[in-house]
Amino acid sequence: DVKVTQSSRYLVKRTGEKVFLECVQDMDHENMFWYRQDPGLGLRLIYFSYDVKMKEKGDIPEGYSVSREKKERFSLILESASTNQTSMYLCASIRDQGYTFGSGTRLTVV
Amino acid sequence: GQNIDQPTEMTATEGAIVQINCTYQTSGFNGLFWYQQHAGEAPTFLSYNVLDGLEEKGRFSSFLSRSKGYSYLLLKELQMKDSASYLCAVSGAAGNKLTFGGGTRVLVKP
Repeated sequence: DVKVTQSSRYLVKRTGEKVFLECVQDMDHENMFWYRQDPGLGLRLIYFSYDVKMKEKGDIPEGYSVSREKKERFSLILESASTNQTSMYLCASIRDQGYTFGSGTRLTVV
Repeated sequence: GQNIDQPTEMTATEGAIVQINCTYQTSGFNGLFWYQQHAGEAPTFLSYNVLDGLEEKGRFSSFLSRSKGYSYLLLKELQMKDSASYLCAVSGAAGNKLTFGGGTRVLVKP
């Protein structure tokens, strides 16, 4: 089974901090994705990557950047965290035609 | 653009059947997915439809009509553990990225 691992389950950060959310998959998949999930809004795509050093903006990229230096690792970066970035962040990798999600990182910005 | 609609919440009795509808308007279509998400956990893959018709997988079935932009997920012989959110997602023309509906929270009562 594909494993997608997110390094932190819960994070609390201060406004203005630079935040790194890490995601690692173990099946050599090329496609990886970062979503955020908020009540009433569902999952919204922030960034995705089809290959090493490749990145594409999703629907809500503002305030975020990503890094894909190695195929197995896709990092989401909050350049200067703000309270409206408090959310559940989900990383995903492709499995057959469907996603496998990581367990999620619940980020609180205070 | 992409627009995916599904009901916010449904309630059903243990042992009954529930049908969750999903309508979509997308700029392209490469397939429709259903995911199950228990509270506080990551979504897990349930089904994938790319051709019209019914796909059955145990107690769960999913139906697709591409001409109508419509799908449903049918849950039979409901069990308490089926209480969860069910997410409808569409893969559009641009690669493998998915656009999600807001999710339907299903509450199964004894």
